[in-house]
Amino acid sequence: SQQGEEDPQALSIQEGENATMNCSYKTSINNLQWYRQNSGRGLVHLILIRSNEREKHSGRLRVTLDTSKKSSSLLITASRAADTASYFCATDARQGGSEKLVFGKGTKLTVNP
Amino acid sequence: KAGVTQTPRYLIKTRGQQVTLSCSPISGHRSVSWYQQTPGQGLQFLFEYFSETQRNKGNFPGRFSGRQFSNSRSEMNVSTLELGDSALYLCASSFLGLAGGFITDTQYFGPGTRLTVL
Repeated sequence: SQQGEEDPQALSIQEGENATMNCSYKTSINNLQWYRQNSGRGLVHLILIRSNEREKHSGRLRVTLDTSKKSSSLLITASRAADTASYFCATDARQGGSEKLVFGKGTKLTVNP
Repeated sequence: KAGVTQTPRYLIKTRGQQVTLSCSPISGHRSVSWYQQTPGQGLQFLFEYFSETQRNKGNFPGRFSGRQFSNSRSEMNVSTLELGDSALYLCASSFLGLAGGFITDTQYFGPGTRLTVL
């Protein structure tokens, strides 16, 4: 099963509005990262938040992490049409002696002009 | 710095064939990870190479293999292709990679190789 699960699966908003996406995970983590993917292309790293951090900002992005609830949220303020993309959270996981990065299924964000 | 490059960008193969995908990491990065992305399963970790050694491995059959060269370039091979192998294959490079369960290193992704198996 997925370590990270994004919610909602799809989100449609108007330009200028804020967009909030949530991510829940199952096991303890060291770090959580958010990525953006434009249709069928590579992923772009947005922000990394460590398990001992509660909030982080980068430009119009704000990420929060609640390790007690095993959840994170990504807020994009004053959205633009160019923000239209899929957003993924990724958490580190250890399985069978291997480290790996586990991605959720993503939230597809559409920002209408 | 040039970004991560992947070749080819698109590939069409038939069942039973084999395929080799290539990834050139950002200069100075020693870790290359590979991921498979499909609509049904999402993004799944295949394996990670660090300094020419496979350091981490996901849950994929032995038909999926890889290697890394001394210049950190990596190749991924899929033998005996199946229809279900149709996917976007992404590689990502970083300096430290997936080390010791404390991933602080940003992974930089390439544009991907779109593989279609007919």
